[in-house]
Amino acid sequence: DAGVTQSPTHLIKTRGQQVTLRCSPKSGHDTVSWYQQALGQGPQFIFQYYEEEERQRGNFPDRFSGHQFPNYSSELNVNALLLGDSALYLCASSLNRDGSNYGYTFGSGTRLTVV
Amino acid sequence: GEDVEQSLFLSVREGDSSVINCTYTDSSSTYLYWYKQEPGAGLQLLTYIFSNMDMKQDQRLTVLLNKKDKHLSLRIADTQTGDSAIYFCAEKFAGGSYIPTFGRGTSLIVHP
Repeated sequence: DAGVTQSPTHLIKTRGQQVTLRCSPKSGHDTVSWYQQALGQGPQFIFQYYEEEERQRGNFPDRFSGHQFPNYSSELNVNALLLGDSALYLCASSLNRDGSNYGYTFGSGTRLTVV
Repeated sequence: GEDVEQSLFLSVREGDSSVINCTYTDSSSTYLYWYKQEPGAGLQLLTYIFSNMDMKQDQRLTVLLNKKDKHLSLRIADTQTGDSAIYFCAEKFAGGSYIPTFGRGTSLIVHP
Protein backbone atom coordinates (compact mmCIF):
# COMPACT_ATOMS: atom_id res chain seq x y z
CA ASP A 1 0.00 0.00 0.00
CA ALA A 2 1.65 3.20 -1.17
CA GLY A 3 1.87 5.98 1.33
CA VAL A 4 1.84 9.65 0.45
CA THR A 5 3.79 10.37 -2.72
CA GLN A 6 5.22 13.80 -3.52
CA SER A 7 6.94 15.08 -6.62
CA PRO A 8 9.44 16.32 -7.41
CA THR A 9 11.77 15.51 -4.52
CA HIS A 10 14.04 18.48 -5.16
CA LEU A 11 13.57 21.68 -7.12
CA ILE A 12 15.61 24.81 -7.73
CA LYS A 13 13.83 27.95 -8.93
CA THR A 14 14.75 31.58 -9.48
CA ARG A 15 13.18 34.48 -7.60
CA GLY A 16 9.98 35.63 -9.27
CA GLN A 17 9.25 32.30 -10.90
CA GLN A 18 6.26 30.08 -10.25
CA VAL A 19 6.33 26.49 -8.99
CA THR A 20 3.87 23.60 -8.79
CA LEU A 21 4.30 20.75 -6.33
CA ARG A 22 2.28 17.55 -6.48
CA CYS A 23 0.94 15.10 -3.93
CA SER A 24 -0.87 11.78 -4.12
CA PRO A 25 -2.51 10.84 -0.83
CA LYS A 26 -2.37 7.48 0.85
CA SER A 27 -4.88 5.00 -0.54
CA GLY A 28 -8.21 5.47 1.20
CA HIS A 29 -7.51 9.02 2.33
CA ASP A 30 -9.61 11.90 1.05
CA THR A 31 -8.05 14.98 2.67
CA VAL A 32 -4.77 16.64 1.83
CA SER A 33 -2.96 19.23 3.94
CA TRP A 34 0.16 21.13 2.94
CA TYR A 35 2.87 22.28 5.32
CA GLN A 36 5.98 24.40 4.91
CA GLN A 37 9.00 23.42 6.99
CA ALA A 38 11.83 25.93 7.02
CA LEU A 39 15.26 24.78 8.13
CA GLY A 40 15.33 24.17 11.88
CA GLN A 41 11.61 24.80 12.29
CA GLY A 42 8.52 22.74 12.77
CA PRO A 43 6.00 22.32 9.96
CA GLN A 44 3.75 25.35 9.42
CA PHE A 45 0.26 24.75 8.09
CA ILE A 46 -0.46 26.27 4.66
CA PHE A 47 -3.92 24.93 3.76
CA GLN A 48 -6.12 21.87 3.65
CA TYR A 49 -8.22 20.47 0.81
CA TYR A 50 -11.27 18.30 1.21
CA GLU A 51 -13.91 17.53 -1.43
CA GLU A 52 -11.91 19.60 -3.91
CA GLU A 53 -12.24 22.78 -1.87
CA GLU A 54 -9.90 24.69 0.38
CA ARG A 55 -11.30 24.18 3.87
CA GLN A 56 -8.72 25.70 6.17
CA ARG A 57 -5.90 28.12 5.58
CA GLY A 58 -2.91 29.11 7.66
CA ASN A 59 -1.15 32.44 7.73
CA PHE A 60 0.24 32.36 4.19
CA PRO A 61 -0.17 34.99 1.45
CA ASP A 62 -2.32 34.54 -1.63
CA ARG A 63 0.80 33.68 -3.62
CA PHE A 64 0.23 30.21 -2.21
CA SER A 65 -2.68 28.45 -3.86
CA GLY A 66 -3.75 24.90 -4.38
CA HIS A 67 -6.07 22.47 -5.98
CA GLN A 68 -7.51 19.06 -5.26
CA PHE A 69 -8.59 16.72 -8.03
CA PRO A 70 -11.45 14.19 -8.03
CA ASN A 71 -8.97 11.39 -7.32
CA TYR A 72 -7.96 13.29 -4.13
CA SER A 73 -4.49 14.18 -5.39
CA SER A 74 -3.44 17.76 -4.87
CA GLU A 75 -1.18 20.50 -6.15
CA LEU A 76 0.45 23.39 -4.35
CA ASN A 77 1.28 26.45 -6.45
CA VAL A 78 3.51 29.28 -5.37
CA ASN A 79 3.74 32.43 -7.50
CA ALA A 80 6.35 35.18 -7.50
CA LEU A 81 8.83 33.11 -5.54
CA LEU A 82 10.88 34.78 -2.82
CA LEU A 83 14.14 33.60 -1.30
CA GLY A 84 12.21 33.03 1.94
CA ASP A 85 10.04 30.43 0.22
CA SER A 86 13.00 28.04 0.29
CA ALA A 87 11.86 25.16 2.49
CA LEU A 88 10.75 21.56 2.64
CA TYR A 89 7.12 21.34 1.56
CA LEU A 90 5.27 18.48 3.13
CA CYS A 91 2.02 16.97 2.05
CA ALA A 92 -0.07 15.09 4.59
CA SER A 93 -3.15 13.03 3.94
CA SER A 94 -5.89 11.83 6.25
CA LEU A 95 -9.28 10.22 6.21
CA ASN A 96 -11.75 12.98 6.87
CA ARG A 97 -10.75 16.49 7.76
CA ASP A 98 -9.89 15.82 11.36
CA GLY A 99 -7.68 12.82 10.72
CA SER A 100 -9.62 10.87 13.34
CA ASN A 101 -7.37 9.22 15.93
CA TYR A 102 -4.45 8.60 13.69
CA GLY A 103 -3.16 12.00 12.79
CA TYR A 104 -1.84 12.57 9.35
CA THR A 105 0.33 10.48 7.06
CA PHE A 106 3.16 12.57 5.68
CA GLY A 107 5.06 12.32 2.45
CA SER A 108 8.82 12.74 2.26
CA GLY A 109 8.45 16.27 1.01
CA THR A 110 9.70 18.44 -1.83
CA ARG A 111 12.84 20.44 -1.09
CA LEU A 112 12.43 23.82 -2.82
CA THR A 113 15.42 26.11 -3.16
CA VAL A 114 14.88 29.63 -4.47
CA VAL A 115 18.00 31.38 -5.77
CA GLY B 1 -3.46 31.14 21.20
CA GLU B 2 -1.90 28.01 19.92
CA ASP B 3 1.69 27.31 20.89
CA VAL B 4 3.79 24.20 21.37
CA GLU B 5 7.20 24.45 23.01
CA GLN B 6 10.01 21.92 22.97
CA SER B 7 13.64 21.95 23.98
CA LEU B 8 15.83 21.90 20.88
CA PHE B 9 18.44 19.27 21.67
CA LEU B 10 18.89 16.09 23.71
CA SER B 11 21.98 13.91 23.79
CA VAL B 12 21.94 10.43 25.34
CA ARG B 13 24.12 7.35 25.45
CA GLU B 14 23.04 4.22 23.62
CA GLY B 15 21.07 1.94 25.95
CA ASP B 16 19.92 4.77 28.22
CA SER B 17 16.39 6.13 28.35
CA SER B 18 15.53 9.36 26.55
CA VAL B 19 12.86 11.75 27.73
CA ILE B 20 11.64 14.43 25.34
CA ASN B 21 9.41 17.12 26.78
CA CYS B 22 6.76 19.37 25.32
CA THR B 23 4.45 22.04 26.70
CA TYR B 24 1.30 23.29 25.05
CA THR B 25 -1.02 26.15 25.74
CA ASP B 26 -4.54 25.19 24.72
CA SER B 27 -6.46 23.26 27.35
CA SER B 28 -9.06 22.23 24.77
CA SER B 29 -6.59 20.01 22.91
CA THR B 30 -8.14 16.68 22.02
CA TYR B 31 -5.25 14.69 20.61
CA LEU B 32 -1.55 15.06 21.26
CA TYR B 33 0.93 13.44 18.89
CA TRP B 34 4.58 12.54 18.67
CA TYR B 35 6.16 12.45 15.22
CA LYS B 36 9.68 11.42 14.21
CA GLN B 37 11.60 12.94 11.32
CA GLU B 38 14.78 11.35 10.05
CA PRO B 39 17.19 13.35 7.86
CA GLY B 40 15.75 14.09 4.44
CA ALA B 41 12.46 12.42 5.23
CA GLY B 42 8.91 13.37 6.07
CA LEU B 43 7.25 12.98 9.44
CA GLN B 44 6.37 9.56 10.79
CA LEU B 45 3.63 9.26 13.40
CA LEU B 46 5.06 7.45 16.42
CA THR B 47 2.18 7.55 18.86
CA TYR B 48 -0.70 9.67 20.06
CA ILE B 49 -2.67 10.15 23.24
CA PHE B 50 -6.18 11.36 23.89
CA SER B 51 -6.44 14.31 26.20
CA ASN B 52 -8.51 12.27 28.66
CA MET B 53 -5.63 9.83 29.21
CA ASP B 54 -2.64 10.18 31.53
CA MET B 55 -0.33 7.60 30.04
CA LYS B 56 0.08 5.41 27.02
CA GLN B 57 2.69 2.73 26.47
CA ASP B 58 3.65 1.23 23.14
CA GLN B 59 6.68 -1.10 23.19
CA ARG B 60 9.71 1.11 23.97
CA LEU B 61 7.66 4.30 23.93
CA THR B 62 5.83 5.76 26.92
CA VAL B 63 3.79 8.95 26.66
CA LEU B 64 2.89 10.86 29.81
CA LEU B 65 0.35 13.65 29.85
CA ASN B 66 -0.01 16.14 32.70
CA LYS B 67 -3.11 18.11 31.81
CA LYS B 68 -2.84 20.43 34.78
CA ASP B 69 0.60 21.63 33.70
CA LYS B 70 -0.11 21.14 29.96
CA HIS B 71 3.00 19.02 29.74
CA LEU B 72 3.57 16.06 27.45
CA SER B 73 6.59 13.79 27.47
CA LEU B 74 7.89 10.95 25.34
CA ARG B 75 10.13 8.38 26.97
CA ILE B 76 12.16 6.05 24.76
CA ALA B 77 13.52 3.05 26.63
CA ASP B 78 16.83 1.44 25.63
CA THR B 79 17.61 4.20 23.14
CA GLN B 80 19.40 3.02 19.99
CA THR B 81 21.45 4.90 17.39
CA GLY B 82 18.57 4.39 14.98
CA ASP B 83 16.45 6.57 17.26
CA SER B 84 18.58 9.59 16.36
CA ALA B 85 16.16 11.98 14.68
CA ILE B 86 14.06 15.07 15.27
CA TYR B 87 10.96 14.50 17.40
CA PHE B 88 7.95 16.75 17.04
CA CYS B 89 5.15 17.22 19.48
CA ALA B 90 1.81 18.28 17.97
CA GLU B 91 -1.59 19.13 19.38
CA LYS B 92 -5.02 19.28 17.86
CA PHE B 93 -7.79 21.43 19.25
CA ALA B 94 -11.42 20.78 19.94
CA GLY B 95 -12.29 24.35 19.09
CA GLY B 96 -13.20 23.88 15.44
CA SER B 97 -9.83 23.66 13.77
CA TYR B 98 -8.84 20.20 12.63
CA ILE B 99 -5.28 21.18 12.04
CA PRO B 100 -2.47 19.88 14.24
CA THR B 101 0.01 22.50 15.42
CA PHE B 102 3.63 21.43 15.65
CA GLY B 103 6.48 22.44 17.92
CA ARG B 104 9.94 23.24 16.56
CA GLY B 105 11.17 19.75 17.26
CA THR B 106 13.77 18.20 19.56
CA SER B 107 16.90 16.84 17.94
CA LEU B 108 17.82 13.57 19.67
CA ILE B 109 21.44 12.51 19.33
CA VAL B 110 22.34 9.00 20.47
CA HIS B 111 26.03 8.29 20.89
CA PRO B 112 27.78 4.99 21.64
